[in-house]
Amino acid sequence: AQSVSQHNHHVILSEAASLELGCNYSYGGTVNLFWYVQYPGQHLQLLLKYFSGDPLVKGIKGFEAEFIKSKFSFNLRKPSVQWSDTAEYFCAVNPSGGGADGLTFGKGTHLIIQP
Amino acid sequence: SQTIHQWPATLVQPVGSPLSLECTVEGTSNPNLYWYRQAAGRGLQLLFYSVGIGQISSEVPQNLSASRPQDRQFILSSKKLLLSDSGFYLCAGPGSAAGELFFGEGSRLTVL
Repeated sequence: AQSVSQHNHHVILSEAASLELGCNYSYGGTVNLFWYVQYPGQHLQLLLKYFSGDPLVKGIKGFEAEFIKSKFSFNLRKPSVQWSDTAEYFCAVNPSGGGADGLTFGKGTHLIIQP
Repeated sequence: SQTIHQWPATLVQPVGSPLSLECTVEGTSNPNLYWYRQAAGRGLQLLFYSVGIGQISSEVPQNLSASRPQDRQFILSSKKLLLSDSGFYLCAGPGSAAGELFFGEGSRLTVL
């Protein structure tokens, strides 16, 4: 079975700071990788995803993530954060091809951006 | 486009009372459906998934059960709630690509 580890549970940054949230996964085969975001009072929504091809993927709102296969990592980055990026961020994985048993999520990182 | 409705949005129940959370999906047919629970500091834990009417797979032993009475309806239930059942329950269905999930707005349950 796969597992996901997110390194930081709480991150506090000032506006315009650069962001990197760590995510490592454990799985023996090829995987699909996802970052989801949950803004305060809103539902969980997809930020970006990696299925195959270019390991650097770009998502909404200026976010990007890089898949490094040798490190089993899929870190989320943003060059300059905004106050509106305050949210909870979840990394998730499932085996390539999908499968019926859903996504495995990390425990989440609560990001607070101070104005 | 797909939408997922969850009802009720918020629920406060005493210990020992029954529970029924409903999830209905629109804009897709024969979807795989999922119930996740989100607890503070614990991420999202998959509770149940269903690949079709009457087909339920349980991921963890617990005080909860699930049912799929119709193609687009997925229900989470309990006969007697425990304090530890408190949490944010999310229903999910298929997203735009294989393996991707689309989530409903969630039901927040507080057991007192």
